[in-house]
Amino acid sequence: AQKITQTQPGMFVQEKEAVTLDCTYDTSDQSYGLFWYKQPSSGEMIFLIYQGSYDEQNATEGRYSLNFQKARKSANLVISASQLGDSAMYFCAMSFLENTGFQKLVFGTGTRLLVSP
Amino acid sequence: ETGVTQTPRHLVMGMTNKKSLKCEQHLGHNAMYWYKQSAKKPLELMFVYSLEERVENNSVPSRFSPECPNSSHLFLHLHTLQPEDSALYLCASSQDRGFSSYNEQFFGPGTRLTVL
Repeated sequence: AQKITQTQPGMFVQEKEAVTLDCTYDTSDQSYGLFWYKQPSSGEMIFLIYQGSYDEQNATEGRYSLNFQKARKSANLVISASQLGDSAMYFCAMSFLENTGFQKLVFGTGTRLLVSP
Repeated sequence: ETGVTQTPRHLVMGMTNKKSLKCEQHLGHNAMYWYKQSAKKPLELMFVYSLEERVENNSVPSRFSPECPNSSHLFLHLHTLQPEDSALYLCASSQDRGFSSYNEQFFGPGTRLTVL
């Protein structure tokens, strides 16, 4: 069964430093996608970055990069130059094709990031 | 309005009440989703609609009843809920039900539900 594991319930980082949020996944599928979402205290899930299982290059979106290590089944999120506004919950998720023929998204339990001045 | 909107943002109800959550997407998407987010648990997919047809029902209790009258609107009707149903209910939409691994879902701000 597909599963996402985020082992860090909370992380602290100082402003302007880089931080890595860990994510490992479990699947026997060859085709899947990996997502990171940010959830501020307001509640909505904000899409940050996507990595396809066949993509050879690590995805980058501004200050966000995804460190994709397929053999280790890890998809860590790296945030460079942290800002106070980065304080939020971060969720790793994986999409896969179900027997019903549609893509399903499975989420981890999240990591709470706190950025201090 | 842009993106995905949800109303109400907060709801407190008794176990014998009937209420409805509303979701509206302004993105022209064809698929819509209800998720439940409880404390310290991963998001749980409850229902999926694709082109107004329900394609997934993850063994959700019948006290939750979804309705999708058109591709822009999604409702979750609630009746005789239990205190353990208290959670953040998130609505999301995507372009389609997903024929490739890239099927980005856009989320609304959620409805924080408290059942007394």
